[in-house]
Amino acid sequence: AQSVTQLDSQVPVFEEAPVELRCNYSSSVSVYLFWYVQYPNQGLQLLLKYLSGSTLVKGINGFEAEFNKSQTSFHLRKPSVHISDTAEYFCAVSRMDSSYKLIFGSGTRLLVRP
Amino acid sequence: KAGVTQTPRYLIKTRGQQVTLSCSPISGHRSVSWYQQTPGQGLQFLFEYFSETQRNKGNFPGRFSGRQFSNSRSEMNVSTLELGDSALYLCASSSSGGTQETQYFGPGTRLLVL
Repeated sequence: AQSVTQLDSQVPVFEEAPVELRCNYSSSVSVYLFWYVQYPNQGLQLLLKYLSGSTLVKGINGFEAEFNKSQTSFHLRKPSVHISDTAEYFCAVSRMDSSYKLIFGSGTRLLVRP
Repeated sequence: KAGVTQTPRYLIKTRGQQVTLSCSPISGHRSVSWYQQTPGQGLQFLFEYFSETQRNKGNFPGRFSGRQFSNSRSEMNVSTLELGDSALYLCASSSSGGTQETQYFGPGTRLLVL
């Protein structure tokens, strides 16, 4: 079975400061990794995904994430956040074999303060 | 291209009733997945359909069912509603449902069971 752990339920940060949202996963099989963002009263939007190749993945809105296989981590980073980045962020995995479903972490609420 | 649409957006029902939610995927997408989002359990996979066939199902009771039509539109049904069924129900579509594919989420249907 697969599981995803997002250790921080809420991360407060000041505008223009850097941020890191942590994600660790557990799986007995190889997985693909995703980060999604959810703005209030909206669905989820893909920020980035890791399928293979370079372990540093760049996504939309200036976000990037680094896959670390030995630590089974996929932390999300942004060097300078904006007020508009305030949202809920979800890390997710899917099995590389035919599973057709995403396993999500519990989410991290990013709160950007002026 | 129009995004994933879900109807209705909001719904209030009472215990014991049944409810049907609808999802129209992005044009050309043949895979539709459903997720339940609650504050306590987070985002949980319900089921996935591809070409009118259910390919995968999450750990939900039989009261939760779904179907997909030949135009890829999907419906999910919950019978004998319980208070714990109150949640945001999200639908996501992808081209073929491959596990590495991006899933595009709709805005969700918020169900309140009284």
